[in-house]
Amino acid sequence: GESVGLHLPTLSVQEGDNSIINCAYSNSASDYFIWYKQESGKGPQFIIDIRSNMDKRQGQRVTVLLNKTVKHLSLQIAATQPGDSAVYFCAENRAGRRALTFGSGTRLQVQP
Amino acid sequence: ETGVTQSPTHLIKTRGQQVTLRCSSQSGHNTVSWYQQALGQGPQFIFQYYREEENGRGNFPPRFSGLQFPNYSSELNVNALELDDSALYLCASSQSGVNTGELFFGEGSRLTVL
Repeated sequence: GESVGLHLPTLSVQEGDNSIINCAYSNSASDYFIWYKQESGKGPQFIIDIRSNMDKRQGQRVTVLLNKTVKHLSLQIAATQPGDSAVYFCAENRAGRRALTFGSGTRLQVQP
Repeated sequence: ETGVTQSPTHLIKTRGQQVTLRCSSQSGHNTVSWYQQALGQGPQFIFQYYREEENGRGNFPPRFSGLQFPNYSSELNVNALELDDSALYLCASSQSGVNTGELFFGEGSRLTVL
């Protein structure tokens, strides 16, 4: 079936540490993956995306890793800051679909 | 550049009533998608509008309907409200042909059905 799920509902890290948020997907036809950040009271904000022909993509302080063999992707945030505290969603899509399928989210709490 | 704006931000309705939510897309964007986000869940796709026509629909009943206007703004209408319709309704705009993930979301309309 179609599903995008997350391993942990809440992740607590110390300020300055690196954070890793994981996500599993089940549909092998998925070819496009996105990470969103949603702060309290706001809409989701695009962070980074990756296509299935890549296994790694880097942005500013963030890296997304894709392992198609085990249908898993992760978001790594370097030197986590208090402003990174939010709920993080992975989402997937594939050719011909209009909609993104979102996972249920992981709440990242950054401890000072 | 003006971002995606939604109105109202919060509203309370009772079962059986009807509601209209509004969205102005980001400048230069011609496609609008609507998502429903229940508390503690990820957004769920309702439908998408492009060139004033519905361009894709998720698993939502016909009492969820929409419109897109020539200026690309959009409305989401929900008839015969049910308690389970209580959620945050998100509008997202994009430019057709751009990666689907490059959606720009508004802050949402929080609907409570009593």
